Amino acid sequence: EVQLLESGGGLVQPGESLRLSCAASGFAFSNNAMSWVRQAPGKGLEWVSAITGSGDNTYYADSVRGRFTISRDNSKGTLYLEMNSLRADDTAVFYCAREGYNPYFDYWGRGTLVTVSS
Amino acid sequence: ENVLTQSPGTLSLSPGERATLSCRASQSVRNNYVAWYQQKPGQAPRLLIYGASSRATGIPDRFSGSGSGTDFTLTISRLEPEDFAVYSCHQYDTTHTFGQGTRLEIK
Repeated sequence: EVQLLESGGGLVQPGESLRLSCAASGFAFSNNAMSWVRQAPGKGLEWVSAITGSGDNTYYADSVRGRFTISRDNSKGTLYLEMNSLRADDTAVFYCAREGYNPYFDYWGRGTLVTVSS
Repeated sequence: ENVLTQSPGTLSLSPGERATLSCRASQSVRNNYVAWYQQKPGQAPRLLIYGASSRATGIPDRFSGSGSGTDFTLTISRLEPEDFAVYSCHQYDTTHTFGQGTRLEIK
């Protein structure tokens, strides 16, 4: 059974940093590209970042490029999102999601809440 | 950016009724690269439909997707109590964008 478990969320002040993790199990982790998708309170889903299975290529939404860094450790089956210079509008539930054969998201985690507030 | 607009924002129906949810894209979506997800509070989003009309593994056949170009539809033929949730469309042709969601509530 495919499982994705996010961790690392919490309350931080504007300008601070946070690192999210997503532990994957139940599949050959390095075979799939992975993404982070977030959802601000009362809003729709927003794609944040993606990384290929090998980790060689990364992609970012304009809203986070230069502040967030996606990475993965295939030996540990874990996806990461390093978030710097956090702003109030980064407040959201962050989900990790597995990309299927085409880049729709076939499995998702339950998410971790990031709150940026002074 | 290809903006997806879902309608209606909220749909109030009774179990056993048919639900029709719409997703309109601001630009044509090539290859029918549209997916639909179901979200319930505290749960992981669940893939229902990909490629506009292909059901994901384990999804009941009361769920169906259709459409092409800029107009896509998710239909639930006969609503079961567990179907009341938020539904989001997603285009993965040009990066990724999502609709704002349709809340399907019990009437």
